[in-house]
Amino acid sequence: DTEVTQTPKHLVMGMTNKKSLKCEQHMGHRAMYWYKQKAKKPPELMFVYSYEKLSINESVPSRFSPECPNSSLLNLHLHALQPEDSALYLCASSQVSAETGELFFGEGSRLTVL
Amino acid sequence: DAKTTQPPSMDCAEGRAANLPCNHSTISGNEYVYWYRQIHSQGPQYIIHGLKNNETNEMASLIITEDRKSSTLILPHATLRDTAVYYCIVRSYGQNFVFGPGTRLSVLP
Repeated sequence: DTEVTQTPKHLVMGMTNKKSLKCEQHMGHRAMYWYKQKAKKPPELMFVYSYEKLSINESVPSRFSPECPNSSLLNLHLHALQPEDSALYLCASSQVSAETGELFFGEGSRLTVL
Repeated sequence: DAKTTQPPSMDCAEGRAANLPCNHSTISGNEYVYWYRQIHSQGPQYIIHGLKNNETNEMASLIITEDRKSSTLILPHATLRDTAVYYCIVRSYGQNFVFGPGTRLSVLP
């Protein structure tokens, strides 16, 4: 199994809503990532989890709250978002210790904030 | 900041080789060159990576110059399905992947 599965594929939410994006992998990877991608721009790193602990937060606003409940799952909790947060949210995973550590990406969750 | 420079767009005729250049003049000795691509509305997909030597796999070939300041990704027989944005990334062990703007490759029939 070489897949990273993200749900939902599409999400529309109002600025007062609370929602979550979910990501799952069964490759035994112990590093998991959230990237944000605006239209016609490259992916931008948001968070990195290593061995279920948050290791990198790229100065992301607190309205985005990541969670890694176990080694296979990664969530991104969303609350009080702004319309400019509308984007494609990509989850990725990789081995931690391998020197090359290539990323495996999911298909993304496309978020629209109204 | 991305450590690479790529042309913003390129065209290639279907069935011909697509040669995508990447400049990484400040690359250090322990940094690898990675290539990913992103087909419209999908997640990025790993293609190939290398350190010093040229590399080939079932998808592509990677040619790295002897001084390692530039590289070329070669898709030997481009198809319409190879139309995508191609990202060249320089990264050492333990660093995060930082994506630059990439090259938008259009394969034309």
